[in-house]
Amino acid sequence: QVQLVQSGAEVKKPGSSVKVSCKASGGASTTAVINWVRQAPGQGLEWMGRIIPIIPKTDYAQNFQGRVTLTSDKSTTTAYMELNNLRSEDTAVYYCATLSGDGATGGFDSWGQGTLVTVSS
Amino acid sequence: DIQMTQSPSSLSASVGDRVTITCRASQGIYNYLAWYQQKPGKVPKLLIYAASTLQSGVPSRFSGSGSGTDFTLTISSLQPDDVATYYCQKYNSAPFTFGPGTKVDIE
Repeated sequence: QVQLVQSGAEVKKPGSSVKVSCKASGGASTTAVINWVRQAPGQGLEWMGRIIPIIPKTDYAQNFQGRVTLTSDKSTTTAYMELNNLRSEDTAVYYCATLSGDGATGGFDSWGQGTLVTVSS
Repeated sequence: DIQMTQSPSSLSASVGDRVTITCRASQGIYNYLAWYQQKPGKVPKLLIYAASTLQSGVPSRFSGSGSGTDFTLTISSLQPDDVATYYCQKYNSAPFTFGPGTKVDIE
């Protein structure tokens, strides 16, 4: 099964950018489609977008269009999520997630541990 | 974009009770529907995919049903370990929107 390991917590100023990494290993890590999901404190799950590294192709949720960029480095099987023009409402845990291809045929069966991004002046 | 709704937003039930959570899509999504369980401070866990297929290792007291626009997640006999928030998610096409969640507690 694909395992996902994310970079550590970040503290950022309003108006700045943050870049979170997600390294895939095991299973079909070289072809894994990486999704990004965020969860603000006490709130629900919000799908941000996905990257299909082998094409490559990205899809973004309308709420994040123009402010988020998803990239990947196939040589290191690492995906990145960059969010620009940060505001306090972007304070959240950011997860990467994938369908690992190990049984399940839908949804996200493998998740990173989450990266807390705090936006504060 | 297709919107996902869930009801109720929260519920409290006794150990051993049968619990049902409903998820509705604003347009038909066939059976491209997943359910997740998230315990406080933990990563979401996939419970069910394809609306009714139990993910490996998930207890058989969990079940899912539905297709098109209306779906349900049922816990046949609620256990203390089931205290969590449950989310549905559509995955027929991007965006892979989640429902707002249903918080389940023990009375």
